[in-house]
Amino acid sequence: EAGVTQFPSHSVIEKGQTVTLRCDPISGHDNLYWYRRVMGKEIKFLLHFVKESKQDESGMPNNRFLAERTGGTYSTLKVQPAELEDSGVYFCASSQEVGGGTDTQYFGPGTRLTVL
Amino acid sequence: QKEVEQNSGPLSVPEGAIASLNCTYSDRGSQSFFWYRQYSGKSPELIMSIYSNGDKEDGRFTAQLNKASQYVSLLIRDSQPSDSATYLCAAGPSGGYQKVTFGIGTKLQVIP
Repeated sequence: EAGVTQFPSHSVIEKGQTVTLRCDPISGHDNLYWYRRVMGKEIKFLLHFVKESKQDESGMPNNRFLAERTGGTYSTLKVQPAELEDSGVYFCASSQEVGGGTDTQYFGPGTRLTVL
Repeated sequence: QKEVEQNSGPLSVPEGAIASLNCTYSDRGSQSFFWYRQYSGKSPELIMSIYSNGDKEDGRFTAQLNKASQYVSLLIRDSQPSDSATYLCAAGPSGGYQKVTFGIGTKLQVIP
């Protein structure tokens, strides 16, 4: 079974540019999460999709960030325009179970974003 | 106050010893707790989850939870150099299907 994949693995852009990160969850996983780790800080939650619906987007920093999950499969996270403080590693995770019980979030390898 | 607090380390232990990793959390509503292992440049990998007070053992790993003290720990027995990694403690409201709050992670070094 393929794991969570993310693209690109690295992205270097200039301040003011736009970047789009992609996440492909494990097939059949309804839950998809985006997290971000800024250097020296904890991994922070950004948002959670259940299928194509945003279940919780309380962690999104501001309206420069736009996440989509059309069709409930892969997801994109767009940053427009990028700022210096957006630099970090963006992780995507997916899990299978919807509602109740235990669940395991499987993480992708992350996208390292550097904004110059 | 950080929601999930860990000592960033590094914690150095000799090969074969027991490594003890600790974590406290501030949200009493947290019901699910996780330990992730992250090798440098790699993705976090779940190694243990615990939901009830007490101990949970899986191979060389034992997770301990004390909700009254808001304390979670991970013991690694017979530590191996391959256990050298950063261990992330995380807490969630209930189940793992909602957002998880991470600690900074403790870097473990197992010395051969």
